Amino acid sequence: DAGVTQSPTHLIKTRGQQVTLRCSPKSGHDTVSWYQQALGQGPQFIFQYYEEEERQRGNFPDRFSGHQFPNYSSELNVNALLLGDSALYLCASSLGVEAFFGQGTRLTVV
Amino acid sequence: AQSVTQPDIHITVSEGASLELRCNYSYGATPYLFWYVQSPGQGLQLLLKYFSGDTLVQGIKGFEAEFKRSQSSFNLRKPSVHWSDAAEYFCAVGTYNNNDMRFGAGTRLTVKP
Repeated sequence: DAGVTQSPTHLIKTRGQQVTLRCSPKSGHDTVSWYQQALGQGPQFIFQYYEEEERQRGNFPDRFSGHQFPNYSSELNVNALLLGDSALYLCASSLGVEAFFGQGTRLTVV
Repeated sequence: AQSVTQPDIHITVSEGASLELRCNYSYGATPYLFWYVQSPGQGLQLLLKYFSGDTLVQGIKGFEAEFKRSQSSFNLRKPSVHWSDAAEYFCAVGTYNNNDMRFGAGTRLTVKP
């Protein structure tokens, strides 16, 4: 079992650009959540996808959007990047209560 | 809304010494509580979880945590720390469906030789 895999590992983008991050959940998991972890802080909940629909959303602007595919994999899209979007983006998959996290994508906006 | 407070930003202990990391939560119902560990540049690894039942839960790597409803606490303990335990530790509170899991700000553990 490969666990939760995220791609890419690192990414550098320029302000105003758009970025897409990808996540493959742990085998058998049908729910994917995305978190933003700024340097020195705990992860902040962005949104959660279940059955290809956004089930709940945290306090993030509409520039952050997502998608879940029929195979349960997911994408996080961020438009009009700001310097403040620089962070580690974590994907977590779950089947019930326990969440398993990927290694994250380190996004740097310059 | 649920929230988590980790009062200690940074803790230093000597190798072989005991460890206790504090976590206080705020949640209206019975919480689902978690402790995660994060090594630099890595994702989060689940150490242990509490859903219900016995208030003392055992986890991986020799860690344990005790749920105290009266104090709204879920402190993490280890009787003897190893140098490899140096990392960032996060306490989190969640719901049944695990959406909107709330994390504390983390406690960074340094282990002295």
